[in-house]
Amino acid sequence: NAGVMQNPRHLVRRRGQEARLRCSPMKGHSHVYWYRQLPEEGLKFMVYLQKENIIDESGMPKERFSAEFPKEGPSILRIQQVVRGDSAAYFCASSREGVNSPLHFGNGTRLTVT
Amino acid sequence: RKEVEQDPGPFNVPEGATVAFNCTYSNSASQSFFWYRQDCRKEPKLLMSVYSSGNEDGRFTAQLNRASQYISLLIRDSKLSDSATYLCVPNFNKFYFGSGTKLNVKP
Repeated sequence: NAGVMQNPRHLVRRRGQEARLRCSPMKGHSHVYWYRQLPEEGLKFMVYLQKENIIDESGMPKERFSAEFPKEGPSILRIQQVVRGDSAAYFCASSREGVNSPLHFGNGTRLTVT
Repeated sequence: RKEVEQDPGPFNVPEGATVAFNCTYSNSASQSFFWYRQDCRKEPKLLMSVYSSGNEDGRFTAQLNRASQYISLLIRDSKLSDSATYLCVPNFNKFYFGSGTKLNVKP
């Protein structure tokens, strides 16, 4: 059973370009969460999605960031017009239905904005 | 008050030592908790789930104190490979992780 798959592992973008980060949840998982982590800091929640629905995006910056989890295919975190401050590790996690279901994390995408 | 609070550490202990750290939570509705470990620049990995008063898995014991709203993680016979940051998260709001407690096990 494959785990949570994220790609790319590393992404380099110049200021002003777009970054697209992909996350395929574990088989049987219908909930996806995105987190951002700066060096030496904790995980910061960004958005929580179920298939075709954004459930909670309270941690997402209001501009330039968007997320989707379509009926078919991976969840996408999209950052438009990237700035140097967007450089971070972005982790995706998935879980089954149910409040007692733990999160399982992908190995992250390291975004570097030059 | 933050959803989850943890002592950032670092806890520096020799191999073989027993070490414990706590995680306090603010939402009394939380029914279960998860401990994760995160190695430097890697993804968090699930260590233990705590559904009732506690859980034990080998050298690791987690205990839940609902009255005081904290969970603890006890590690016995520390190994060098236990060096990591330990994160807790309540099930009620899986979005918010504690900032983690850093553990350094020294030879």
